[in-house]
Amino acid sequence: AQRVTQPEKLLSVFKGAPVELKCNYSYSGSPELFWYVQYSRQRLQLLLRHISRESIKGFTADLNKGETSFHLKKPFAQEEDSAMYYCALRGAQKLVFGQGTRLTINP
Amino acid sequence: EAGVAQSPRYKIIEKRQSVAFWCNPISGHATLYWYQQILGQGPKLLIQFQNNGVVDDSQLPKDRFSAERLKGVDSTLKIQPAKLEDSAVYLCASSLDRGGGGHEQFFGPGTRLTVL
Repeated sequence: AQRVTQPEKLLSVFKGAPVELKCNYSYSGSPELFWYVQYSRQRLQLLLRHISRESIKGFTADLNKGETSFHLKKPFAQEEDSAMYYCALRGAQKLVFGQGTRLTINP
Repeated sequence: EAGVAQSPRYKIIEKRQSVAFWCNPISGHATLYWYQQILGQGPKLLIQFQNNGVVDDSQLPKDRFSAERLKGVDSTLKIQPAKLEDSAVYLCASSLDRGGGGHEQFFGPGTRLTVL
């Protein structure tokens, strides 16, 4: 079975502070992990995927198979980062989402 | 390019009534998905089409939900009869995938259904 857990429903940090959104997963096969983001009044969109190993809008995420985690990090938060973030896992062609973390960046 | 289109954007019905949602995917996208997103939860896949064939409908409540994708383009999702617990946002997404997976899913704006 595929499962994605995002332990924090809400996360609030100050502008310029580091951000880490946690994601843990459960999957017996080789996982493909993603972070999706939904800004206010916008559509759900892909932020980054682990196989790309790239930084998008200053965010990075490293797949840690030993800890079964895929935490999203950014060293210096910006106000425009405020949004809903979803971690997702693809196995057997099906995408399974976590419950999401609402990130608020305070000025 | 135009994104995934969905209509209506909002729908309010009473329980036991029927409702239908429409989705037009991005042109050329072979795979179409319907997700249900209940308030406070992440999207949950209901059904996945590749062209006009069903790939996965394991989480579709088939006693009341049905979906079709005629001609491998547009799709409709129907609920008949609706229950209170069907209140949710219904998201449609599409991707270029032609069987191997790996392509990005593009999401529509969603239809917010309220069942009273």
